[in-house]
Amino acid sequence: NAGVMQNPRHLVRRRGQEARLRCSPMKGHSHVYWYRQLPEEGLKFMVYLQKENIIDESGMPKERFSAEFPKEGPSILRIQQVVRGDSAAYFCASSVIRDAEQFFGPGTRLTVL
Amino acid sequence: AQTVTQSQPEMSVQEAETVTLSCTYDTSESDYYLFWYKQPPSRQMILVIRQEAYKQQNATENRFSVNFQKAAKSFSLKISDSQLGDAAMYFCAETMSYQLTFGKGTKLSVIP
Repeated sequence: NAGVMQNPRHLVRRRGQEARLRCSPMKGHSHVYWYRQLPEEGLKFMVYLQKENIIDESGMPKERFSAEFPKEGPSILRIQQVVRGDSAAYFCASSVIRDAEQFFGPGTRLTVL
Repeated sequence: AQTVTQSQPEMSVQEAETVTLSCTYDTSESDYYLFWYKQPPSRQMILVIRQEAYKQQNATENRFSVNFQKAAKSFSLKISDSQLGDAAMYFCAETMSYQLTFGKGTKLSVIP
């Protein structure tokens, strides 16, 4: 019974490139959440998605960041034209229904050179 | 906006001893959930324990227990019989729905 999968685990990008982070929720989970962890900080909520819908993106930066959760396939967090300040660990979590326990993936560590 | 405060950036405990990690939060809601997560060096977030605010009884999970003081908005984690594998970052979190709000964490070291 696989848990939440994230790939890649580590991603290195140069300033100005695009970063794509993938998250496959646990089997049977249709609710996905993305969090960002900056160095020496706790996780901060970014966005909440259900299949094909963005429910709450109040924690997403207004520019360069987008997220999707298509009908088929993993959820994608996309960061365009990355800057050094985007370097962080990005965690995905999933739940079976909206207010249920969230199970976390292992995270993707993004490093921007 | 909810805030969660962990006032101890670092703590240490002798193996087999007991340690308590502090957490306070600020919410105007009456119904919410509180969590403690463990993040070892692998960075995987592992749920240690959860508490529903409407429950008076403190949650326990084996060697882990909480002291939930609703009026004081305090939610401390007690680890008994500490083991080397308990060494990690510990994050306190609060939510009333789906948006988890985390504290900045406490780094726990276990001394053999």
